[in-house]
Amino acid sequence: DAKTTQPTSMDCAEGRAANLPCNHSTISGNEYVYWYRQIHSQGPQYIIHGLKNNETNEMASLIITEDRKSSTLILPHATLRDTAVYYCIVIRNTNAGKSTFGDGTTLTVKP
Amino acid sequence: DTEVTQTPKHLVMGMTNKKSLKCEQHMGHRAMYWYKQKAKKPPELMFVYSYEKLSINESVPSRFSPECPNSSLLNLHLHALQPEDSALYLCASSQDPRGNTEAFFGQGTRLTVV
Repeated sequence: DAKTTQPTSMDCAEGRAANLPCNHSTISGNEYVYWYRQIHSQGPQYIIHGLKNNETNEMASLIITEDRKSSTLILPHATLRDTAVYYCIVIRNTNAGKSTFGDGTTLTVKP
Repeated sequence: DTEVTQTPKHLVMGMTNKKSLKCEQHMGHRAMYWYKQKAKKPPELMFVYSYEKLSINESVPSRFSPECPNSSLLNLHLHALQPEDSALYLCASSQDPRGNTEAFFGQGTRLTVV
């Protein structure tokens, strides 16, 4: 599975959009981009995933560049409860759902 | 029911003890996973079960022994652990063993080996 690179930490003001970048320059054509987050002492929580098109759900939007080498997770109106570690993961479609977590980005939403 | 339930939530065991961690899901998922997470580190994959068969073992020491008795249950048997095995153990499941469906994680078992 392709390796991902994320900034170590980011801050965001409450109510503003949080834009979390992820680099996956070695991604293959059959690999999905997934985002999970982990709030302190809890299990990771699925946010969104995509293959090549932009995706949106009730939690977030995922923007994947045309060459698929990077993506951005957008939380449109961040709240204090969105403070967490955000993981960007690349998963091969033919793999048994093997998720290799990188170090993630610690997002701190500030009042 | 979209939950993965792990028991116990906390476990303290001695190095000579034998204990088991339990994971349960009733979503009809056919892939189940064990992860280990040390403090301030990302989760590390240990085992993957696909249709109740072990499909991935990430070179985990034999003192960790997984078992999948049926499609809803996943156990992790522990024996002769070391203090460095103290960690949060996470169970997850996904509908499809292929990588195009999201995984649901339990809240984990926090294990302390003394």
